[in-house]
Amino acid sequence: NAGVTQTPEFQVLKTGQSMTLQCAQDMNHEYMSWYRQDPGMGLRLIHYSVGAGITDQGEVPNGYNVSRSTTEDFPLRLLSAAPSQTSVYFCASRSGGGASNQPQHFGDGTRLSIL
Amino acid sequence: AQSVTQLGSHVSVSEGALVLLRCNYSSSVPPYLFWYVQYPNQGLQLLLKYTSAATLVKGINGFEAEFKKSETSFHLTKPSAHMSDAAEYFCAVSFNDMRFGAGTRLTVKP
Repeated sequence: NAGVTQTPEFQVLKTGQSMTLQCAQDMNHEYMSWYRQDPGMGLRLIHYSVGAGITDQGEVPNGYNVSRSTTEDFPLRLLSAAPSQTSVYFCASRSGGGASNQPQHFGDGTRLSIL
Repeated sequence: AQSVTQLGSHVSVSEGALVLLRCNYSSSVPPYLFWYVQYPNQGLQLLLKYTSAATLVKGINGFEAEFKKSETSFHLTKPSAHMSDAAEYFCAVSFNDMRFGAGTRLTVKP
């Protein structure tokens, strides 16, 4: 029962490098999302997707790109890493593509440090 | 737009005491509300959800929350705290997307 799987678990980058955080779910969920978690700020929504081929911006999208070519995968790309992007990143998914009362299922997170 | 505010970034109680974690919401439509718990170095786990079926919602681990429209609140309670309840708790509101509060860290003293 994998649920939502995030890779890598930990990553250290240098300023200016690019990388992709991977997220995959095996529950056939339409909706997927990315959050970043910083101390005292809770979880802030970066991008979300209501289905394959459809993405939209959340609260803090600058510096991040996403795509959704399949139902299962929702990678998050950092184009040119900055120290302000040091954070813990969570991917989540739920059933229902639009407005929904379904809870999200979360991955275990990727801890990213940018030097 | 929907949002939630959690009052108190840190709550400390003694083992066996009442736990009360506060959450107020803002929503232009009837909200879907959730409480999640996060243990150290883990992801978020659903405690309970409100979806308009009943105003008092029971969740896992003895937690419950009451939806009060007149107060725009969805406070989380547990009658008797246990050491294992020490964690960070997040209130969230959902419509097209899900937005979280800043979180409340619960400490339980022996």
